[in-house]
Amino acid sequence: AQRVTQPEKLLSVFKGAPVELKCNYSYSGSPELFWYVQYSRQRLQLLLRHISRESIKGFTADLNKGETSFHLKKPFAQEEDSAMYYCALSLPRAAGNKLTFGGGTRVLVKP
Amino acid sequence: EPEVTQTPSHQVTQMGQEVILRCVPISNHLYFYWYRQILGQKVEFLVSFYNNEISEKSEIFDDQFSVERPDGSNFTLKIRSTKLEDSAMYFCASRGQGNQPQHFGDGTRLSIL
Repeated sequence: AQRVTQPEKLLSVFKGAPVELKCNYSYSGSPELFWYVQYSRQRLQLLLRHISRESIKGFTADLNKGETSFHLKKPFAQEEDSAMYYCALSLPRAAGNKLTFGGGTRVLVKP
Repeated sequence: EPEVTQTPSHQVTQMGQEVILRCVPISNHLYFYWYRQILGQKVEFLVSFYNNEISEKSEIFDDQFSVERPDGSNFTLKIRSTKLEDSAMYFCASRGQGNQPQHFGDGTRLSIL
């Protein structure tokens, strides 16, 4: 069965510092990878998906199939980036396209 | 921007009682999902629903759980006889055709006493 691991429960950085959130997955095929963000008291929102290869709010993520990773990076963190971040995986063409989530990483950006 | 809406935001129920959690997916979406998150734990998949039937369900989704799309706009999750361990945040999600991503509601916090 597929699994998503986010090893850091909490990342605390100063404003302007780089931030990297780690995500590793276990699946032998070609999954689709996502980053969802949850700001305080708000819903889960899609931040990035690997197939779009975009940069959203300064964040980027690269799928590394060799290392089975999809780490999220931002070169200069802002206070408004403080939130809970979830890495998730889905299997293309699977019956329901369910999402399998990692445990989440709380990011705290200090002034 | 259209949103998935969930009601109520918080539901408190006595153990053994039935509870229905309601969701209104985005109007042109075709695929519907329920997830739950027990406090301090991961967001876990419960069930997916397409074309008026369940397309996949997890081990958590046992006979006590059921889903329904009663009127073409609502998507409900029923727990027949609640247990203490059903206390969690329940999220509804929906997505459109093809490769579109899932959009989530705000969640319903279910507290079983």
